Amino acid sequence: KAGVTQTPRYLIKTRGQQVTLSCSPISGHRSVSWYQQTPGQGLQFLFEYFSETQRNKGNFPGRFSGRQFSNSRSEMNVSTLELGDSALYLCASSLGQPGRSSYEQYFGPGTRLTVT
Amino acid sequence: AQSVTQLDSQVPVFEEAPVELRCNYSSSVSVYLFWYVQYPNQGLQLLLKYLSGSTLVESINGFEAEFNKSQTSFHLRKPSVHISDTAEYFCAVSLARDRGSTLGRLYFGRGTQLTVWP
Repeated sequence: KAGVTQTPRYLIKTRGQQVTLSCSPISGHRSVSWYQQTPGQGLQFLFEYFSETQRNKGNFPGRFSGRQFSNSRSEMNVSTLELGDSALYLCASSLGQPGRSSYEQYFGPGTRLTVT
Repeated sequence: AQSVTQLDSQVPVFEEAPVELRCNYSSSVSVYLFWYVQYPNQGLQLLLKYLSGSTLVESINGFEAEFNKSQTSFHLRKPSVHISDTAEYFCAVSLARDRGSTLGRLYFGRGTQLTVWP
């Protein structure tokens, strides 16, 4: 079974621009979560989507948004980029339904975003 | 509030030596526990999980972790490490609720860089 895929793998943007990152979950997984990883703050939760609905949200400004499509693929968007948005953005998928196995999350390789 | 503490940011060891990476958590509700490993320029790979049952869990590559509820710990151990185990290891917890609202959120520690020297 194919794993979680993220595109693009690397991205360089300029301050003030916007960016869209894409994530395709494992087949059959309906939940997609996004995390930001930086050396200073570590791994921080951005948001989670399940069945096209945002189910949970971390403490990030409104410039960070996301959505999920009917095929469970997800995108996250960051508008008005700041230098501090430079990070590795990780997507994780899980079954998303009640049951202990839903707590297992599987991560993609990440998108490395550099803001100059 | 939930928090995860990994007591050591860096652990250097020699090949074939034993290693223990420590993880403590704080939570007012029951949790599920995970260890993830991250190799350079890669995402996180699920190494071990504790969801229920035996408090000692093992991975296919020789790592084990034991859930200690009284000490709120989930330390990771390996009796003999290899150079290929060099990576960053993250401990994480998820709130053990059946309601859907929290299923998707993991709380991570700051990570422990394990470096294995020949």
